Amino acid sequence: KQEVTQIPAALSVPEGENLVLNCSFTDSAIYNLQWFRQDPGKGLTSLLLIQSSQREQTSGRLNASLDKSSGRSTLYIAASQPGDSATYLCAVKTNQAGTALIFGKGTTLSVSS
Amino acid sequence: DAGVTQSPTHLIKTRGQQVTLRCSPKSGHDTVSWYQQALGQGPQFIFQYYEEEERQRGNFPDRFSGHQFPNYSSELNVNALLLGDSALYLCASSLGTTQFFGPGTRLTVL
Repeated sequence: KQEVTQIPAALSVPEGENLVLNCSFTDSAIYNLQWFRQDPGKGLTSLLLIQSSQREQTSGRLNASLDKSSGRSTLYIAASQPGDSATYLCAVKTNQAGTALIFGKGTTLSVSS
Repeated sequence: DAGVTQSPTHLIKTRGQQVTLRCSPKSGHDTVSWYQQALGQGPQFIFQYYEEEERQRGNFPDRFSGHQFPNYSSELNVNALLLGDSALYLCASSLGTTQFFGPGTRLTVL
């Protein structure tokens, strides 16, 4: 059974700092991995999607990497800003036909000015 | 494009009651998935509808049921509500593999 773990559960940093959020999964047979942002009490916004054949994806100050063999992904946020404060969720999709996403519990990020 | 919309935004029910949540998918999307997110947890997959049929189901009891209409909109029904059903219920629509999420319905069971 696929399980997704995110470490740390919470993180507080000063504005301008570069940071890394970690995601691990137990079964390396994934179809893709996705990082989401969730503001308090709100829905999910997709940040980056990495297909199983890819190693990384970049969007602006965000860079996500994927190492399937070790069951790990990282989300790198450069030059953090107070507006980056949110919960970041990692989710894996295990196969193409079954499109259910399996989520971690998330990392809650607080960036202080 | 309005994106994925859900109604109502918030809902308060008492134990034993029944509730219906609604979801309108993003324009052109034919698949709707429902997730339950308890406080402090990641979303948990409930079920997915495609062509008005339940295509896949997560580990949820039969008290949770759904429906998809010909216009691809969907309903989630929960019977005999328990306190533990209090959560944010998220709907996601897709055409292909990428899912787009709605803002959710916050259900509180007293």
